[in-house]
Amino acid sequence: TQLLEQSPQFLSIQEGENLTVYCNSSSVFSSLQWYRQEPGEGPVLLVTVVTGGEVKKLKRLTFQFGDARKDSSLHITAAQPGDTGLYLCAGGGVNAGGTSYGKLTFGQGTILTVHP
Amino acid sequence: NAGVTQTPKFRILKIGQSMTLQCTQDMNHNYMYWYRQDPGMGLKLIYYSVGAGITDKGEVPNGYNVSRSTTEDFPLRLELAAPSQTSVYFCASSYSASGRAYEQYFGPGTRLTVT
Repeated sequence: TQLLEQSPQFLSIQEGENLTVYCNSSSVFSSLQWYRQEPGEGPVLLVTVVTGGEVKKLKRLTFQFGDARKDSSLHITAAQPGDTGLYLCAGGGVNAGGTSYGKLTFGQGTILTVHP
Repeated sequence: NAGVTQTPKFRILKIGQSMTLQCTQDMNHNYMYWYRQDPGMGLKLIYYSVGAGITDKGEVPNGYNVSRSTTEDFPLRLELAAPSQTSVYFCASSYSASGRAYEQYFGPGTRLTVT
């Protein structure tokens, strides 16, 4: 069974601060995705990384996939109250001939609160 | 284009009752999934489907059943509801974006309470 450990579980910061959320596993993943979820809604995909060492930027958010494809990080620069929400990482199974069927392993999530 | 829709949004069941959670997607995705989300536990896969007529168990299938008669619909059936099934249920669909990554699109969820 593949497991993803997210840390920290809770993060409470002031507007303008920087933060990093980590997602770690002992398993190799074919891809790593980050989702953001607001209360009462379903998760919404932020980014997908598929290559070891890959870095993607989405405005103030920077996502990195570890070289060995076992870990990932999400860094937010100058956090704003609108960044408040639950952040979930999700790993795609190693795809051997297309048999993973898109199943994802989710971390337990990081609840981020950004105070004005 | 509505994406993934789920009904109902909220439901309260008594122990032993049954119900069906509905899920429909209009993106012509082959893959569909049902998850449950408990506080602090992330998302756990209940069942998934790779196409009409094909379903398989996920991580936590006990107490649930699914069917997939069309590409669009993927209902989740709860038989003999138990308090342990109190949770928020999400339906999702996906396609293969690059052959290795399956980006999932989620519905708004159904909040179920069993008392």
